Amino acid sequence: DAGITQSPRHKVTETGTPVTLRCHQTENHRYMYWYRQDPGHGLRLIHYSYGVKDTDKGEVSDGYSVSRSKTEDFLLTLESATSSQTSVYFCAISQGTGGKYNEQFFGPGTRLTVL
Amino acid sequence: AQKVTQAQTEISVVEKEDVTLDCVYETRDTTYYLFWYKQPPSGELVFLIRRNSFDEQNEISGRYSWNFQKSTSSFNFTITASQVVDSAVYFCALSGRSGNTPLVFGKGTRLSVIA
Repeated sequence: DAGITQSPRHKVTETGTPVTLRCHQTENHRYMYWYRQDPGHGLRLIHYSYGVKDTDKGEVSDGYSVSRSKTEDFLLTLESATSSQTSVYFCAISQGTGGKYNEQFFGPGTRLTVL
Repeated sequence: AQKVTQAQTEISVVEKEDVTLDCVYETRDTTYYLFWYKQPPSGELVFLIRRNSFDEQNEISGRYSWNFQKSTSSFNFTITASQVVDSAVYFCALSGRSGNTPLVFGKGTRLSVIA
């Protein structure tokens, strides 16, 4: 299994508070992604990173920011959490050189509840 | 824009039946990659298969088989002799020509295999 951890695994917070989710990998993969999973929507991309300090927005990026200061860590921040951001958040990684290296491997997920 | 459609929201079968999960995709890229992931009740996302657009060979892995047809933009997944452990949500996904672009997921098909 790919070495991907997410922390925290569960979090309950209140509307308006800042929240940071961490994704840590031990695979030295170049690409990292944040998705959210909601009933009836499947998985949707929030942000992704194609290298240290290189990030780009996904389909549902409003209300989220990310940072990647080193290869192994990709942080997702909700500056001011809202109830609509209650979801399960998945981090994924890929080597990113094409061919057999472009599978994305997922972390265990973080369940976030915003009250 | 890329799109993946999994028209079957939920399927229920009796153990040992064969079942096919449908996936239809849309893309303007001539080179692209298709994936299937499994999400068992425990919640993790498990990579099953990757197929690139220039390889239309069908693939079989044990009880699993995949039928890729570019002419109909479909990448269907068949489980032969289903088992209770196959109960999960299955996602079909698509990525662009670099293979490292973020995945676009279908909304998933929930498969329930009844003993």
